[in-house]
Amino acid sequence: KQEVTQIPAALSVPEGENLVLNCSFTDSAIYNLQWFRQDPGKGLTSLLLIQSSQREQTSGRLNASLDKSSGRSTLYIAASQPGDSATYLCAVARRTGRRALTFGSGTRLQVQP
Amino acid sequence: EAQVTQNPRYLITVTGKKLTVTCSQNMNHEYMSWYRQDPGLGLRQIYYSMNVEVTDKGDVPEGYKVSRKEKRNFPLILESPSPNQTSLYFCASSQAGGQNTGELFFGEGSRLTVL
Repeated sequence: KQEVTQIPAALSVPEGENLVLNCSFTDSAIYNLQWFRQDPGKGLTSLLLIQSSQREQTSGRLNASLDKSSGRSTLYIAASQPGDSATYLCAVARRTGRRALTFGSGTRLQVQP
Repeated sequence: EAQVTQNPRYLITVTGKKLTVTCSQNMNHEYMSWYRQDPGLGLRQIYYSMNVEVTDKGDVPEGYKVSRKEKRNFPLILESPSPNQTSLYFCASSQAGGQNTGELFFGEGSRLTVL
């Protein structure tokens, strides 16, 4: 059974810092991995989608990497801003069997002005 | 505007009273799915659908039903709600290519309380 872990559970940084959020998964047989952002009381917004054949994806100040063999992904946020404050979740799509997604429990990020 | 719309957004009901949470997407997506989000347990998949008339169980399907008669709609049915189904529910859709779920688009969520 796929398990997804995100560390740290919460993070508080001053504005302007570069930061890294971690996601690890136990089964490397994945189709893709997605990073999402969730604001309080809101739905999830997809940030980056990495296919299993890719090593990284970039969008603006965000960069996500994927290392399938070690079961890890990182989300790098450059020059953090208060507007980046949210919960960040990663989700892994299984390659075989049920096409279900398994989510991590998220990292709650607070960027202090 | 591309969106996934859920209704109702908030609902308080009593044990055993059947209810339906509707979900509609305007992106012509093949793949649709329902999740519940609970403190300490994260997001868990209830059911998903790869296309019209094709549905399958996720990780926590007990107590729920779904149907996919049209591509745009994927309602979640609670035939006899119980208090342990009190949760925040999300519907999501994506353009599924082959075996891949693709980028997921989420609705705003439906907060359900069962007394």
